[in-house]
Amino acid sequence: GAGVSQSPSNKVTEKGKDVELRCDPISGHTALYWYRQSLGQGLEFLIYFQGNSAPDKSGLPSDRFSAERTGGSVSTLTIQRTQQEDSAVYLCASSLSPQKHVRETQYFGPGTRLLVL
Amino acid sequence: GQNIDQPTEMTATEGAIVQINCTYQTSGFNGLFWYQQHAGEAPTFLSYNVLDGLEEKGRFSSFLSRSKGYSYLLLKELQMKDSASYLCAVRTYNTGFQKLVFGTGTRLLVSP
Repeated sequence: GAGVSQSPSNKVTEKGKDVELRCDPISGHTALYWYRQSLGQGLEFLIYFQGNSAPDKSGLPSDRFSAERTGGSVSTLTIQRTQQEDSAVYLCASSLSPQKHVRETQYFGPGTRLLVL
Repeated sequence: GQNIDQPTEMTATEGAIVQINCTYQTSGFNGLFWYQQHAGEAPTFLSYNVLDGLEEKGRFSSFLSRSKGYSYLLLKELQMKDSASYLCAVRTYNTGFQKLVFGTGTRLLVSP
């Protein structure tokens, strides 16, 4: 596609339920990133996938959060047993294979606005 | 750890010039990005600096001093549509992984 797409655009759920957020990166981009942006806050790094390498999960806030990337393309971020503090905008970004010292721009999707009641 | 600081909010008038500063303390520095984010929208790329100096692109310029851990974004001939948040992000390269660490953003309000 022309850009990064995410679905759903909005999600309202009840505390304790599981949610799945989907990201379709730009075709040909091997790097995929998930970020979280809470109201009035900066972007918080969650997880990073690069090709077939093991992902960098260092930003996941708890073991309720997990993500996978199948076939090196589409990614799913899963939040189990959601809590009210999980309410935020979840942004996905993709980029071409990042090489050190190369200008590599991350292109962001429109985000999924998650509200946990 | 990583630490990126930028002012929370700035105001300016249409036609003026504004400079948004960003200071950082990171390990494995591998470039600094500026993104623009309008309310309710995704961030969009503005500029990238990896070497010291000024990068100019139309009305927007970005400066980097690696020794000082300092960058600024300069916006000239401000327009109302420039009202947005401006995010400073540092790319770090550690243990083979690259990732962007974002500041909390500077909300710029341009008034007539």
